[in-house]
Amino acid sequence: DGGITQSPKYLFRKEGQNVTLSCEQNLNHDAMYWYRQDPGQGLRLIYYSQIVNDFQKGDIAEGYSVSREKKESFPLTVTSAQKNPTAFYLCASSTTGISGANVLTFGAGSRLTVL
Amino acid sequence: GESVGLHLPTLSVQEGDNSIINCAYSNSASDYFIWYKQESGKGPQFIIDIRSNMDKRQGQRVTVLLNKTVKHLSLQIAATQPGDSAVYFCAERAYNQGGKLIFGQGTELSVKP
Repeated sequence: DGGITQSPKYLFRKEGQNVTLSCEQNLNHDAMYWYRQDPGQGLRLIYYSQIVNDFQKGDIAEGYSVSREKKESFPLTVTSAQKNPTAFYLCASSTTGISGANVLTFGAGSRLTVL
Repeated sequence: GESVGLHLPTLSVQEGDNSIINCAYSNSASDYFIWYKQESGKGPQFIIDIRSNMDKRQGQRVTVLLNKTVKHLSLQIAATQPGDSAVYFCAERAYNQGGKLIFGQGTELSVKP
Protein backbone atom coordinates (compact mmCIF):
# COMPACT_ATOMS: atom_id res chain seq x y z
CA ASP A 1 0.00 0.00 0.00
CA GLY A 2 1.22 3.49 -0.78
CA GLY A 3 1.57 5.92 2.06
CA ILE A 4 3.72 7.89 4.43
CA THR A 5 5.58 6.23 7.27
CA GLN A 6 6.75 8.22 10.25
CA SER A 7 9.00 6.85 12.97
CA PRO A 8 9.25 6.64 15.84
CA LYS A 9 5.62 7.04 16.92
CA TYR A 10 6.69 8.10 20.41
CA LEU A 11 10.00 9.66 21.38
CA PHE A 12 11.34 10.97 24.65
CA ARG A 13 14.25 13.36 24.76
CA LYS A 14 16.29 14.95 27.46
CA GLU A 15 16.84 18.67 27.32
CA GLY A 16 19.88 19.59 25.23
CA GLN A 17 19.66 16.58 22.93
CA ASN A 18 19.02 16.63 19.22
CA VAL A 19 16.54 14.11 17.86
CA THR A 20 15.68 13.13 14.30
CA LEU A 21 12.21 12.14 13.16
CA SER A 22 11.99 9.95 10.11
CA CYS A 23 9.50 10.39 7.24
CA GLU A 24 9.38 8.08 4.23
CA GLN A 25 6.83 8.08 1.40
CA ASN A 26 6.28 5.66 -1.47
CA LEU A 27 3.66 7.75 -3.23
CA ASN A 28 6.15 9.21 -5.71
CA HIS A 29 5.18 12.66 -4.49
CA ASP A 30 7.51 15.55 -5.28
CA ALA A 31 6.66 17.77 -2.33
CA MET A 32 7.05 16.94 1.35
CA TYR A 33 6.22 18.92 4.47
CA TRP A 34 6.68 18.95 8.22
CA TYR A 35 4.00 20.37 10.51
CA ARG A 36 3.86 20.82 14.23
CA GLN A 37 0.60 20.34 16.14
CA ASP A 38 0.03 21.59 19.68
CA PRO A 39 -3.11 20.92 21.76
CA GLY A 40 -6.02 23.07 20.71
CA GLN A 41 -4.17 24.61 17.79
CA GLY A 42 -4.04 24.16 14.06
CA LEU A 43 -1.12 22.74 12.15
CA ARG A 44 1.88 25.03 11.76
CA LEU A 45 4.36 24.59 8.91
CA ILE A 46 7.97 23.98 9.93
CA TYR A 47 9.75 23.19 6.65
CA TYR A 48 8.81 22.06 3.18
CA SER A 49 10.59 20.67 0.16
CA GLN A 50 9.28 20.79 -3.39
CA ILE A 51 12.16 18.88 -4.97
CA VAL A 52 15.14 16.79 -4.00
CA ASN A 53 18.07 18.74 -2.54
CA ASP A 54 15.92 21.83 -2.00
CA PHE A 55 13.84 22.94 0.97
CA GLN A 56 12.39 26.14 2.42
CA LYS A 57 11.57 27.39 5.89
CA GLY A 58 7.98 27.46 6.93
CA ASP A 59 6.41 29.63 9.60
CA ILE A 60 8.19 28.14 12.63
CA ALA A 61 11.55 26.84 11.36
CA GLU A 62 13.70 28.09 14.25
CA GLY A 63 15.28 25.21 16.15
CA TYR A 64 14.61 22.68 13.38
CA SER A 65 16.59 21.37 10.42
CA VAL A 66 15.77 19.11 7.49
CA SER A 67 17.39 17.39 4.53
CA ARG A 68 16.02 16.04 1.25
CA GLU A 69 18.67 13.79 -0.24
CA LYS A 70 16.14 11.37 -1.70
CA LYS A 71 12.67 11.91 -3.11
CA GLU A 72 11.22 9.38 -0.69
CA SER A 73 12.74 10.75 2.51
CA PHE A 74 12.44 14.02 4.45
CA PRO A 75 13.85 13.67 7.97
CA LEU A 76 13.35 16.40 10.56
CA THR A 77 15.89 17.14 13.27
CA VAL A 78 14.67 18.86 16.40
CA THR A 79 17.71 20.60 17.79
CA SER A 80 18.50 21.73 21.30
CA ALA A 81 17.84 25.28 20.11
CA GLN A 82 14.11 24.56 19.91
CA LYS A 83 12.85 25.98 23.18
CA ASN A 84 9.57 24.12 23.41
CA PRO A 85 9.89 20.93 21.37
CA THR A 86 7.21 18.83 23.08
CA ALA A 87 4.54 18.42 20.40
CA PHE A 88 2.95 16.12 17.82
CA TYR A 89 4.87 16.24 14.53
CA LEU A 90 3.19 15.45 11.23
CA CYS A 91 4.87 14.74 7.93
CA ALA A 92 2.92 15.15 4.69
CA SER A 93 3.45 14.91 0.97
CA SER A 94 1.70 16.07 -2.18
CA THR A 95 1.97 15.63 -5.91
CA THR A 96 2.40 19.30 -6.70
CA GLY A 97 4.36 22.00 -5.02
CA ILE A 98 3.26 24.23 -2.22
CA SER A 99 1.54 26.76 -4.45
CA GLY A 100 -0.46 24.26 -6.46
CA ALA A 101 -3.90 22.95 -5.75
CA ASN A 102 -2.79 20.00 -3.71
CA VAL A 103 -4.25 17.59 -1.25
CA LEU A 104 -1.76 16.71 1.44
CA THR A 105 -1.39 13.09 2.45
CA PHE A 106 -0.32 12.85 6.08
CA GLY A 107 1.62 10.29 8.06
CA ALA A 108 0.42 8.98 11.42
CA GLY A 109 2.59 11.42 13.35
CA SER A 110 5.39 11.31 15.89
CA ARG A 111 4.86 12.47 19.45
CA LEU A 112 7.96 14.03 20.98
CA THR A 113 8.17 14.62 24.71
CA VAL A 114 11.04 16.44 26.34
CA LEU A 115 11.75 15.26 29.87
CA GLY B 1 -16.59 26.92 14.54
CA GLU B 2 -12.94 28.00 14.39
CA SER B 3 -11.54 30.40 16.93
CA VAL B 4 -8.26 31.40 18.47
CA GLY B 5 -7.36 29.81 21.79
CA LEU B 6 -6.12 26.66 23.47
CA HIS B 7 -9.49 24.96 23.80
CA LEU B 8 -10.97 23.33 20.77
CA PRO B 9 -14.51 24.25 19.87
CA THR B 10 -16.64 21.18 20.41
CA LEU B 11 -19.80 19.86 18.84
CA SER B 12 -21.80 17.06 20.41
CA VAL B 13 -24.48 15.30 18.35
CA GLN B 14 -26.69 12.27 18.69
CA GLU B 15 -25.97 9.28 16.50
CA GLY B 16 -28.09 9.49 13.37
CA ASP B 17 -28.44 13.27 13.45
CA ASN B 18 -26.82 15.56 10.93
CA SER B 19 -23.71 17.51 11.96
CA ILE B 20 -22.64 20.93 10.76
CA ILE B 21 -19.08 22.07 11.42
CA ASN B 22 -18.26 25.66 10.64
CA CYS B 23 -15.09 27.44 9.63
CA ALA B 24 -14.52 31.16 9.14
CA TYR B 25 -11.62 32.26 7.00
CA SER B 26 -10.18 35.71 6.75
CA ASN B 27 -8.30 35.90 3.46
CA SER B 28 -10.38 36.96 0.49
CA ALA B 29 -7.56 35.75 -1.77
CA SER B 30 -8.14 32.14 -0.71
CA ASP B 31 -9.24 30.10 -3.70
CA TYR B 32 -9.14 26.51 -2.50
CA PHE B 33 -10.38 24.86 0.67
CA ILE B 34 -10.00 21.42 2.19
CA TRP B 35 -11.59 19.60 5.11
CA TYR B 36 -9.57 17.06 7.04
CA LYS B 37 -10.59 14.59 9.74
CA GLN B 38 -8.15 13.68 12.50
CA GLU B 39 -8.81 10.83 14.88
CA SER B 40 -7.03 10.74 18.21
CA GLY B 41 -3.31 9.96 17.85
CA LYS B 42 -3.45 9.78 14.07
CA GLY B 43 -2.62 12.00 11.13
CA PRO B 44 -5.31 14.05 9.36
CA GLN B 45 -7.23 12.38 6.55
CA PHE B 46 -8.65 14.17 3.52
CA ILE B 47 -12.44 14.38 3.46
CA ILE B 48 -13.45 16.77 0.72
CA ASP B 49 -12.24 19.90 -1.05
CA ILE B 50 -13.82 22.79 -2.91
CA ARG B 51 -12.58 25.55 -5.18
CA SER B 52 -13.72 29.13 -4.82
CA ASN B 53 -15.65 29.01 -8.09
CA MET B 54 -18.10 26.59 -6.47
CA ASP B 55 -20.67 27.07 -3.70
CA LYS B 56 -21.31 23.46 -2.87
CA ARG B 57 -19.72 20.09 -3.31
CA GLN B 58 -21.01 16.71 -2.19
CA GLY B 59 -19.27 13.52 -1.28
CA GLN B 60 -20.36 10.37 0.42
CA ARG B 61 -22.43 11.53 3.42
CA VAL B 62 -20.57 14.85 3.43
CA THR B 63 -21.30 18.20 1.86
CA VAL B 64 -19.12 21.29 1.88
CA LEU B 65 -20.70 24.71 1.48
CA LEU B 66 -18.73 27.83 0.65
CA ASN B 67 -20.03 31.35 1.18
CA LYS B 68 -17.43 33.74 -0.17
CA THR B 69 -19.48 36.79 0.71
CA VAL B 70 -19.05 36.20 4.43
CA LYS B 71 -15.90 34.06 4.13
CA HIS B 72 -17.54 31.02 5.65
CA LEU B 73 -17.07 27.34 5.02
CA SER B 74 -19.11 24.51 6.47
CA LEU B 75 -18.95 20.74 6.50
CA GLN B 76 -22.20 18.85 6.79
CA ILE B 77 -22.16 15.21 7.79
CA ALA B 78 -25.36 13.28 7.22
CA ALA B 79 -26.54 10.56 9.60
CA THR B 80 -23.59 11.00 11.92
CA GLN B 81 -22.04 7.77 13.19
CA PRO B 82 -19.79 7.05 16.21
CA GLY B 83 -16.90 6.58 13.77
CA ASP B 84 -17.26 10.23 12.78
CA SER B 85 -16.03 11.31 16.21
CA ALA B 86 -12.80 13.21 15.55
CA VAL B 87 -11.31 16.67 15.18
CA TYR B 88 -12.18 18.33 11.89
CA PHE B 89 -9.90 20.94 10.33
CA CYS B 90 -10.53 23.30 7.50
CA ALA B 91 -7.59 24.57 5.47
CA GLU B 92 -7.43 27.43 2.99
CA ARG B 93 -4.96 28.21 0.25
CA ALA B 94 -4.24 31.83 -0.52
CA TYR B 95 -2.05 32.99 -3.39
CA ASN B 96 -1.05 36.14 -1.54
CA GLN B 97 0.52 33.97 1.14
CA GLY B 98 2.67 31.94 -1.21
CA GLY B 99 -0.10 29.46 -1.90
CA LYS B 100 0.50 27.61 1.35
CA LEU B 101 -2.29 25.74 3.08
CA ILE B 102 -3.30 27.56 6.26
CA PHE B 103 -5.03 25.32 8.80
CA GLY B 104 -7.72 26.35 11.22
CA GLN B 105 -7.74 25.41 14.89
CA GLY B 106 -10.12 22.50 14.45
CA THR B 107 -13.49 21.48 15.87
CA GLU B 108 -13.97 18.37 17.95
CA LEU B 109 -17.02 16.34 17.00
CA SER B 110 -18.37 13.96 19.63
CA VAL B 111 -21.11 11.50 18.62
CA LYS B 112 -23.32 10.15 21.38
CA PRO B 113 -24.76 6.66 20.84
